[in-house]
Amino acid sequence: TQLLEQSPQFLSIQEGENLTVYCNSSSVFSSLQWYRQEPGEGPVLLVTVVTGGEVKKLKRLTFQFGDARKDSSLHITAAQPGDTGLYLCAGALNSGTYKYIFGTGTRLKVLA
Amino acid sequence: EPEVTQTPSHQVTQMGQEVILRCVPISNHLYFYWYRQILGQKVEFLVSFYNNEISEKSEIFDDQFSVERPDGSNFTLKIRSTKLEDSAMYFCASSVGPPTQYFGPGTRLLVL
Repeated sequence: TQLLEQSPQFLSIQEGENLTVYCNSSSVFSSLQWYRQEPGEGPVLLVTVVTGGEVKKLKRLTFQFGDARKDSSLHITAAQPGDTGLYLCAGALNSGTYKYIFGTGTRLKVLA
Repeated sequence: EPEVTQTPSHQVTQMGQEVILRCVPISNHLYFYWYRQILGQKVEFLVSFYNNEISEKSEIFDDQFSVERPDGSNFTLKIRSTKLEDSAMYFCASSVGPPTQYFGPGTRLLVL
């Protein structure tokens, strides 16, 4: 069974702090996505990374795909209360596949 | 901004009954997906659909499940005889093509 393990599982930080969330697997993924999910809502796509070593920035969020395409990280700079939510990574094992494996999630709470 | 919509938002049914969950994907998208999320657990892939046929399905998607695109706009998931363990949030997603996909807000299904 392919697994995407995310760490930490829970994270509570003060506004203005930086944080990094990790997504790890023993499997190689052709692409990986990060989502944010609010309670009772669907996941909202943040970014897709497809190339090993790729780094993408979205305002205060920086996403990196590992060189071996087995892991990824999400770094948030100067976290704000609006960043609070469940962060999910999801990977596709094969190029063009339609089946995405979701990670276990990291629940982030940013305190004002 | 176009988005995926799902109806109903909540569905309560008796065990053994049939349910149909409906989705309207983003209009120019060609790939359609169903996922489910049991309360407190990971998002799980069920099925993908392209060109009027199933592209890929998971082990969860057994003979009790079926999908259909009855017209040019709707994409449905039917559960023929619901079981207690089918209680979950069901998400529809659509995409122009892999890997990017956009999720709907979900239908919360409760089987009693």
